[in-house]
Amino acid sequence: DAKTTQPTSMDCAEGRAANLPCNHSTISGNEYVYWYRQIHSQGPQYIIHGLKNNETNEMASLIITEDRKSSTLILPHATLRDTAVYYCIVSPGNAGNNRKLIWGLGTSLAVNP
Amino acid sequence: GAVVSQHPSWVICKSGTSVKIECRSLDFQATTMFWYRQFPKQSLMLMATSNEGSKATYEQGVEKDKFLINHASLTLSTLTVTSAHPEDSSFYICSARGGRGYGYTFGSGTRLTVV
Repeated sequence: DAKTTQPTSMDCAEGRAANLPCNHSTISGNEYVYWYRQIHSQGPQYIIHGLKNNETNEMASLIITEDRKSSTLILPHATLRDTAVYYCIVSPGNAGNNRKLIWGLGTSLAVNP
Repeated sequence: GAVVSQHPSWVICKSGTSVKIECRSLDFQATTMFWYRQFPKQSLMLMATSNEGSKATYEQGVEKDKFLINHASLTLSTLTVTSAHPEDSSFYICSARGGRGYGYTFGSGTRLTVV
């Protein structure tokens, strides 16, 4: 079973910030929080990851709570092309190559014009 | 950045025939490749993990004789669906560990339809 829980679906207006929550209350000390997204009929795309500090890149920001039991992915200015299923996954960051990812159902984000 | 090229993007085949799907890591060495299957409105389900030069490790319930995996080089892994049946119709995705932040890079997926 996935170690994360996410809302099934969310809506966001184009141009507004999309805030996608994720609960990972059983996260281990060596596990990172990864976010991927999957646009319809494509392979997943890496977005961002973090251990305990907040992170930002050209795609998104990741806010991790101090107790690391939850996080929020922020798309600052959502566009129609951000409509996708967003997956939050916890995994050891620098483990061996054989570490599997366990996928939940993710959050289906619909960005509306 | 790291790129995994997956081909074909879609394929239609007759029941009983075999189909090969290729995944190549274009700018990094993929010691390990993961193969997933995804049915409509479902999440990715790991089928097997392949390591260059050794036998693949299959997840419980995945028939290793039906889904043949070959990982002969550090840049190429293949999945062959043998004697395909309509229930094998699905979206197949490969993934390799490499690229940004020890993350995983995914192929674009292959839509297999068995008629």
